[in-house]
Amino acid sequence: EAQVTQNPRYLITVTGKKLTVTCSQNMNHEYMSWYRQDPGLGLRQIYYSMNVEVTDKGDVPEGYKVSRKEKRNFPLILESPSPNQTSLYFCASSPTWQGGSNQPQHFGDGTRLSIL
Amino acid sequence: GDSVTQMEGPVTLSEEAFLTINCTYTATGYPSLFWYVQYPGEGLQLLLKATKADDKGSNKGFEATYRKETTSFHLEKGSVQVSDSAVYFCALSGRGAQKLVFGQGTRLTINP
Repeated sequence: EAQVTQNPRYLITVTGKKLTVTCSQNMNHEYMSWYRQDPGLGLRQIYYSMNVEVTDKGDVPEGYKVSRKEKRNFPLILESPSPNQTSLYFCASSPTWQGGSNQPQHFGDGTRLSIL
Repeated sequence: GDSVTQMEGPVTLSEEAFLTINCTYTATGYPSLFWYVQYPGEGLQLLLKATKADDKGSNKGFEATYRKETTSFHLEKGSVQVSDSAVYFCALSGRGAQKLVFGQGTRLTINP
């Protein structure tokens, strides 16, 4: 089954304790992206990757890191989490990305992070 | 920059009612437009899309028409069901941008 898998689904942690949210897709997609969803703001892009070893900042990259060492995996790293990073996070992938493309993105089921 | 504005929610309707969720956008050039749906505890799923002016996207009884003159992409359904209860997001993909731009989402609740 084609899917985007995120782990963990839920995490409660404390300020400053490094954490990683994993994202894996089994569709051989080149493009992957991370979004955060906050009430009243919709989804905002954090980072994206056009292919292996190619990553770039989205609209809200502060406090986050990513890596793309393999095509299928795109982990999101919070080196020193803070309470304002409490949010619902989604990983997404699509075959490629072209400007104005109509390729839909496939989304994971989300990771709810609470930073105390 | 590109932006999407959706009608404020939440929206509550009775089963078999007519649904409209308004969506307007601002973008340079001619973006592709999408509606995504998010059921409780799940990720977003593509509901329908349109890639050029006057295109009509449709799926599961939902429809939306790409209106360039009014920069709108309103979602409609003639007769909603309880199973349509979800959060609906309007989004666009602009030329030269490597991302989807989302509206704030509209929570829809359908009562039996």
